[in-house]
Amino acid sequence: QQQVKQSPQSLIVQKGGISIINCAYENTAFDYFPWYQQFPGKGPALLIAIRPDVSEKKEGRFTISFNKSAKQFSLHIMDSQPGDSATYFCAARGYGGSQGNLIFGKGTKLSVKP
Amino acid sequence: NAGVTQTPKFQVLKTGQSMTLQCAQDMNHNSMYWYRQDPGMGLRLIYYSASEGTTDKGEVPNGYNVSRLNKREFSLRLESAAPSQTSVYFCASSEVFTKNTEAFFGQGTRLTVV
Repeated sequence: QQQVKQSPQSLIVQKGGISIINCAYENTAFDYFPWYQQFPGKGPALLIAIRPDVSEKKEGRFTISFNKSAKQFSLHIMDSQPGDSATYFCAARGYGGSQGNLIFGKGTKLSVKP
Repeated sequence: NAGVTQTPKFQVLKTGQSMTLQCAQDMNHNSMYWYRQDPGMGLRLIYYSASEGTTDKGEVPNGYNVSRLNKREFSLRLESAAPSQTSVYFCASSEVFTKNTEAFFGQGTRLTVV
């Protein structure tokens, strides 16, 4: 079952533009929402994460926006650079039992054109 | 600091052959995970070990077995490989099995079953 829905599947952005990736979840027990970045041939690496008690978290050019009532969260990449070209995964995690595991979205392949 | 190390990096198996994927972490983490990554499917959890001495099934456990050999090592075994198991396999670890703990991933094992 897919409990985290991610869109779009692929995204092409010009250098300097804003990249936006969206995720939606259904399980209200989720309370940790990380984003992972994966370069070709590498494993995913944590980029930024948020808890639902805040609506926004910013780290450099990367911002997570969180809408608890809509059960949606998104990643914004400001001033996108060619080096940001990678696959991005949103994820969610609950607490206790199997819900302690990360559930991943299907990924978004971002290409930033120079 | 090696982090999470997976061996081998590449493997080609014939249908029906068996093999074991090895994973070791040097971060003194309690929890370890095996994921598979297929195009357009994101990362799907095969098995996890919340702590040394415990293992549990994830979303797609059929055709696989695991062993938590000690705190550092978590292996994944394919007893009779099938073409449907062609995938990229990632091992991951986290400090504890709780909601806000970052997961660290290995570089992956690319497995082809012919």
